[in-house]
Amino acid sequence: SQQGEEDPQALSIQEGENATMNCSYKTSINNLQWYRQNSGRGLVHLILIRSNEREKHSGRLRVTLDTSKKSSSLLITASRAADTASYFCATDPGGTSYGKLTFGQGTILTVHP
Amino acid sequence: DADVTQTPRNRITKTGKRIMLECSQTKGHDRMYWYRQDPGLGLRLIYYSFDVKDINKGEISDGYSVSRQAQAKFSLSLESAIPNQTALYFCATSVNRGMNEQFFGPGTRLTVL
Repeated sequence: SQQGEEDPQALSIQEGENATMNCSYKTSINNLQWYRQNSGRGLVHLILIRSNEREKHSGRLRVTLDTSKKSSSLLITASRAADTASYFCATDPGGTSYGKLTFGQGTILTVHP
Repeated sequence: DADVTQTPRNRITKTGKRIMLECSQTKGHDRMYWYRQDPGLGLRLIYYSFDVKDINKGEISDGYSVSRQAQAKFSLSLESAIPNQTALYFCATSVNRGMNEQFFGPGTRLTVL
């Protein structure tokens, strides 16, 4: 079963608006990562947040992590049409399974010009 | 990511055929991974290798085998392809330290008739 469950499954917004995607997971983690996938292409790493961090920023991206609720959110501010893609969270359990990522099903983001 | 290449990019084969998907990387990474992606299911880990002599099964290894010929090469084989192995296959790499950001190849679209 998938470790990460993402919500919503699809999100449609206008250019300039903010987009928020959520990820929930079931077991303890070492870190959580977000990836972007343009249609049918390979995934591209966006940002990583460690289990002892609560918030992280990278450009227009803001990621939060709440380990007590086993959830994370990805906020893309001032969205652009080029942000149209699928976004996946991935959890790294650490320990003996360190590096063995488990991906969620993804959120399909469409940004209309 | 041009540093991780996959061949072939597209392949159509018939049930029962043996097929090999190849992955090469110039990133100098020790770790390599094979995933499959099905619509609505995100990515699922098939096999992973943390170095040349280390091969591990992932979540869905049945029906697949792998070979790590060198640090830079990791091949995935379907010994006897079946239609439900029709999917998009991705190879990924990561360093053997740090927080394990993964770098993905462009994918191989496999259709089994």
